[in-house]
Amino acid sequence: GESVGLHLPTLSVQEGDNSIINCAYSNSASDYFIWYKQESGKGPQFIIDIRSNMDKRQGQRVTVLLNKTVKHLSLQIAATQPGDSAVYFCAEKMDSWGKLQFGAGTQVVVTP
Amino acid sequence: NAGVMQNPRHLVRRRGQEARLRCSPMKGHSHVYWYRQLPEEGLKFMVYLQKENIIDESGMPKERFSAEFPKEGPSILRIQQVVRGDSAAYFCASSPPSLKGGGDYGYTFGSGTRLTVV
Repeated sequence: GESVGLHLPTLSVQEGDNSIINCAYSNSASDYFIWYKQESGKGPQFIIDIRSNMDKRQGQRVTVLLNKTVKHLSLQIAATQPGDSAVYFCAEKMDSWGKLQFGAGTQVVVTP
Repeated sequence: NAGVMQNPRHLVRRRGQEARLRCSPMKGHSHVYWYRQLPEEGLKFMVYLQKENIIDESGMPKERFSAEFPKEGPSILRIQQVVRGDSAAYFCASSPPSLKGGGDYGYTFGSGTRLTVV
């Protein structure tokens, strides 16, 4: 399944399939972006980040893509597992220190 | 190596009371950020502090809210005369003095304090 943006609050995906979560960011001058995972009752957990001088970055089972032309980020999760069920947020760094602006979030629900 | 510690985890206050939320940053971290999260929304920046200094409080409501990060002890977010609209999860994050970026950003969140105003 594919999310068309953070206005779609829930992404339902079958276990083993790939997930794609999309995010539109606001500031064309932002140079650093992070994806976070938040499980119920917990704080945001760092997944992967990317600098604006890159288009793609891969981690373990996750890939982040950055399209600066249209100010768009996506997070791809390969072989989605039940433990991936959570809310996923993108965040952009807004200043030189580390102030982050978060997107609204996408709830990912993994079905067996 | 303990992470960012926030307490209490849950806090219930009656309208008009004061709420004090505490955040102990990770060891070696001297920068603290507070965020507020309403139900089913993203986190919203409130304030950024270094030891004994408020660097950016552009996200803080002008009234009733204050924050400090003393030389010794945890950072405190204080909400006076709470109202029902203050009910939210409040998260603290900390980072080291030099933000390396790339890979592990070093910007770590606590588990939050869930404030309920009744």
